[in-house]
Amino acid sequence: GENVEQHPSTLSVQEGDSAVIKCTYSDSASNYFPWYKQELGKRPQLIIDIRSNVGEKKDQRIAVTLNKTAKHFSLHITETQPEDSAVYFCAAWPNQGGKLIFGQGTELSVKP
Amino acid sequence: DTGVSQNPRHKITKRGQNVTFRCDPISEHNRLYWYRQTLGQGPEFLTYFQNEAQLEKSRLLSDRFSAERPKGSFSTLEIQRTEQGDSAMYLCASSFYSDPEAFFGQGTRLTVV
Repeated sequence: GENVEQHPSTLSVQEGDSAVIKCTYSDSASNYFPWYKQELGKRPQLIIDIRSNVGEKKDQRIAVTLNKTAKHFSLHITETQPEDSAVYFCAAWPNQGGKLIFGQGTELSVKP
Repeated sequence: DTGVSQNPRHKITKRGQNVTFRCDPISEHNRLYWYRQTLGQGPEFLTYFQNEAQLEKSRLLSDRFSAERPKGSFSTLEIQRTEQGDSAMYLCASSFYSDPEAFFGQGTRLTVV
C-alpha cells in the first residue's frame, strides 16, 4: 500500500523567511496530493492541493511542486508570518485506494 | 455551519467501558472517513464508507472497533472495552465519491483513564 514520508519533523524560521516541507510517496498510481494545516486543538484544514497532471500550483504565499518521476512533492511558504505557525501534513491519494494516506507532520514555528 | 460535525468533542472514560462517537458529514458528500490521530503523528486511517457501505477497514483496527453508517448520512464509531492505548483524537472527514478533496471535523478527543 501507499506510504508517505514527510521531512523535517520540526522547522523553525524567522518571520519573513521561506519554509519548505518535503514529502515522498511510494505508490506511483497516486494522483492527488493535498496539504493540510492543523493549529493546536483544531481540525486539519486543506490549504492547497495538486493533482498529478500538473507540476506546480500557487496560491498567494503558498505553492506546491510535484515531481512524479521522483515521487516527491513539496510545500513552499514564502514571507512567513507568525500565524503560519502550525503543524502541516502532506497526504497522497492512491488512485484505487479510496482514502488519503498522511505523512507524519511538520511542526512549523515562525519567530517574530 | 455546513461543515463536518463531530460529537462529543471530548470524552473521558474508564478503562473497560464502551464509547460511541458520532460524525455528521457535509450533507452532499457520499464518502465518510474515520481517522485516529495521536500526539505528534499524522492522521491514521481507520475505515471509510461510500453511502452506507463500509468499503475498507484498516488491519490496525481491532475487533473492539466498529463503525456504522446506516442510512448513508451520519456515522458512528464504537469502541468496546476501551484500553489506555485507545486514547487519541478521532477525526471524521467526508468527500464526494471519487473526489479526494476531504474535509475534516473538529474531532473527538478520547481519554481512557
